[in-house]
Amino acid sequence: GAGVSQSPRYKVAKRGQDVALRCDPISGHVSLFWYQQALGQGPEFLTYFQNEAQLDKSGLPSDRFFAERPEGSVSTLKIQRTQQEDSAVYLCASSQRHSGTGSQGYTFGSGTRLTVV
Amino acid sequence: EDQVTQSPEALRLQEGESSSLNCSYTVSGLRGLFWYRQDPGKGPEFLFTLYSAGEEKEKERLKATLTKKESFLHITAPKPEDSATYLCAVYHASGGSYIPTFGRGTSLIVHP
Repeated sequence: GAGVSQSPRYKVAKRGQDVALRCDPISGHVSLFWYQQALGQGPEFLTYFQNEAQLDKSGLPSDRFFAERPEGSVSTLKIQRTQQEDSAVYLCASSQRHSGTGSQGYTFGSGTRLTVV
Repeated sequence: EDQVTQSPEALRLQEGESSSLNCSYTVSGLRGLFWYRQDPGKGPEFLFTLYSAGEEKEKERLKATLTKKESFLHITAPKPEDSATYLCAVYHASGGSYIPTFGRGTSLIVHP
């Protein structure tokens, strides 16, 4: 597709449930980022992939969060045993260049809004 | 310690009333500064990248400038469709990677 696609668009999870959020980046894009955006806040970095390699996961808030990109294209962010504080919009962004540099910045998806009840 | 601070948090303007948004940063080794626009329920949309002090970029009613410590997004004669949250992100070294760090944004409302 022409843009970054994220699914599901909305997810309601019961506390303690595991969830998986999917990101389809723009075809051929090397760099892929996951961000978490709480209501009224800016996006907070979670993790970064260059092709299939996860080069930085320093932003993952706990070991309940796990991300993968096994074939260097689609990525999945998994949250185990969800807690209420995990409620947020999860954004995926991709870039055609390594490390995301370049004059065109990053292309973001519309995000997945996760609500933990 | 906040690395990226945006001000004001919220701004209300009348249509045609020009103003500026501020993004100040304290990171070292800045490799670039981005401005994004975010509409409700959508992901951020890329506007500009600035790389060095003194650089300026323009797009329609928007003009972004960069100094060694801050960036301004100038909005000239805004229209209601310019209403959105404007995000600033600095691109800098973090460990072994280069990661964009975002500010909290400025929520702009332009009244007709």
